[in-house]
Amino acid sequence: DAKTTQPNSMESNEEEPVHLPCNHSTISGTDYIHWYRQLPSQGPEYVIHGLTSNVNNRMASLAIAEDRKSSTLILHRATLRDAAVYYCILRDLSGNQFYFGTGTSLTVIP
Amino acid sequence: DGGITQSPKYLFRKEGQNVTLSCEQNLNHDAMYWYRQDPGQGLRLIYYSQIVNDFQKGDIAEGYSVSREKKESFPLTVTSAQKNPTAFYLCASSAVPGQASSYNEQFFGPGTRLTVL
Repeated sequence: DAKTTQPNSMESNEEEPVHLPCNHSTISGTDYIHWYRQLPSQGPEYVIHGLTSNVNNRMASLAIAEDRKSSTLILHRATLRDAAVYYCILRDLSGNQFYFGTGTSLTVIP
Repeated sequence: DGGITQSPKYLFRKEGQNVTLSCEQNLNHDAMYWYRQDPGQGLRLIYYSQIVNDFQKGDIAEGYSVSREKKESFPLTVTSAQKNPTAFYLCASSAVPGQASSYNEQFFGPGTRLTVL
């Protein structure tokens, strides 16, 4: 059973902010929220993760809802290199498994 | 440099043959994973291992087998029992809780694309 739900695709203009949503209504108290992205024919790469508080790093920001049932990955200025499939993932610490969602394919328009 | 290597990058197999995909990591990670990805789809977990000589089935383990004799290596065998093996296979590793501050991150290899002729 899927643990996260994301839109299949989104578009953004270059140099504009992008907000990628993810729903995880069945999240447990010990699940971390991770975001990965995957370029064509490559392995996914880590973007960001968080538990309860909003997080920032050099790549993106992660906004987590107060009830933790949804989160949003924010790319502050989209570039053509950000075009990828973005996966929202829950990390189950008790089992050490990563549950991948369907992913959102982001298209960046020049 | 630390990382994960997978070989070969491309692999062709005849129907009825077993084939083994290699995965090696030098990150000193205890946990390793195998995923399968079909065109336009997300990743599905085949097997994972949290420690040497131990592994668990993921969501789609049927037709696959693994071994974990060394910490650095987690080979995946696609057996003839796997009816539709053509896919992109990804290996990954991560630390387990209590092991280094970056334990949350999962590191992926470049993948092996398997085609059944």
